[in-house]
Amino acid sequence: AQKVTQAQTEISVVEKEDVTLDCVYETRDTTYYLFWYKQPPSGELVFLIRRNSFDEQNEISGRYSWNFQKSTSSFNFTITASQVVDSAVYFCALIMNRDDKIFFGKGTRLHILP
Amino acid sequence: GAGVSQSPRYKVAKRGQDVALRCDPISGHVSLFWYQQALGQGPEFLTYFQNEAQLDKSGLPSDRFFAERPEGSVSTLKIQRTQQEDSAVYLCASSPVRLPGETQYFGPGTRLLVL
Repeated sequence: AQKVTQAQTEISVVEKEDVTLDCVYETRDTTYYLFWYKQPPSGELVFLIRRNSFDEQNEISGRYSWNFQKSTSSFNFTITASQVVDSAVYFCALIMNRDDKIFFGKGTRLHILP
Repeated sequence: GAGVSQSPRYKVAKRGQDVALRCDPISGHVSLFWYQQALGQGPEFLTYFQNEAQLDKSGLPSDRFFAERPEGSVSTLKIQRTQQEDSAVYLCASSPVRLPGETQYFGPGTRLLVL
């Protein structure tokens, strides 16, 4: 069974619009870790955020914010006032407590149109 | 360098050829991971090292794939008798300690094309 689901394959928005990328995860562990990575056209995965399952506090970092809701097993990512440089593929990912490997979603390709 | 580096960045191989992909992790990082990313997909786990010990190789797709990290630093992923389905980007990641859920930092990847 897929452990991380990113239902949005591709999203296009006009610059300065806000956009939310959805992520739903699945695990039976009570302790787990969630991540978001950005993959620009250059191909390198850039770490954005790490969250453990005991910390449901939402986080804001500049134009980026994350909403973690255990009740719905979701970890959504919002970009406020999007910019062209935000265009990339974004991956949501999960590490379960008994594991070291990352389980990635299939990614959401985000196009920010000028 | 400050980040994870990988070489070569691009590799074209004829079917049946052996290839070796190199990963230089961030200096001092204990854990090293290899992932395979097919076109349009998320990365998938291949194997994991803690120092020189290969602790998990459950993701290696066949016995044609072999990885090593003999001195606990640089790692090499070797693919023998390459097949067209091996075409993918191979990503290496490292993390500083072996703690649950530790952040992994990725290199730029090696894009392998098997003709």
